[in-house]
Amino acid sequence: GENVEQHPSTLSVQEGDSAVIKCTYSDSASNYFPWYKQELGKGPQLIIDIRSNVGEKKDQRIAVTLNKTAKHFSLHITETQPEDSAVYFCAASRGPYNQGGKLIFGQGTELSVKP
Amino acid sequence: KAGVTQTPRYLIKTRGQQVTLSCSPISGHRSVSWYQQTPGQGLQFLFEYFSETQRNKGNFPGRFSGRQFSNSRSEMNVSTLELGDSALYLCASRTGTGGAEQYFGPGTRLTVT
Repeated sequence: GENVEQHPSTLSVQEGDSAVIKCTYSDSASNYFPWYKQELGKGPQLIIDIRSNVGEKKDQRIAVTLNKTAKHFSLHITETQPEDSAVYFCAASRGPYNQGGKLIFGQGTELSVKP
Repeated sequence: KAGVTQTPRYLIKTRGQQVTLSCSPISGHRSVSWYQQTPGQGLQFLFEYFSETQRNKGNFPGRFSGRQFSNSRSEMNVSTLELGDSALYLCASRTGTGGAEQYFGPGTRLTVT
């Protein structure tokens, strides 16, 4: 069935270090992979996404890579700051059309950035 | 543009009661998806509505239902509440016509006692 595995479940880094979160998906038909950041008491916020026809995408300190053959995708945060502390979720879908509304989420990674 | 709004933000109900939650999508978005978030099960897809029609459904019992109105606003209903229905219920909107990005609201925190 459809499944997304996310590791690690918790990650603690020093301010300025890099953080990497990895996900593996099972559904070969998945073609859209977003990442969300959720702060306490708030809904998930879309921070970056990648489509299956792209191998890497970068937005300032955040980058995402995708290996379709291995069904792996990863989030890389460089020069981490205390405000990056939150729970991060990866997800996969068969988007963008009829199946795109169904996101399958990983279990989440609680990132803590220590000043 | 205003973001996704959900009402109410907090609810306390008793077992056996029913509840209705509301979601207003981003202006111009025609698709609304609902998710349940719990510590144990994480984020799970409930259903998606597009142009007043259910387009996709997750693995939840029939007690969970939804609908969408002509202005794209959506409601979800849970009947015969159980303790295990206590969760954060999130809705997300997207254009539904080719845009894959989903934007989430703040959620409704439902507590069943």
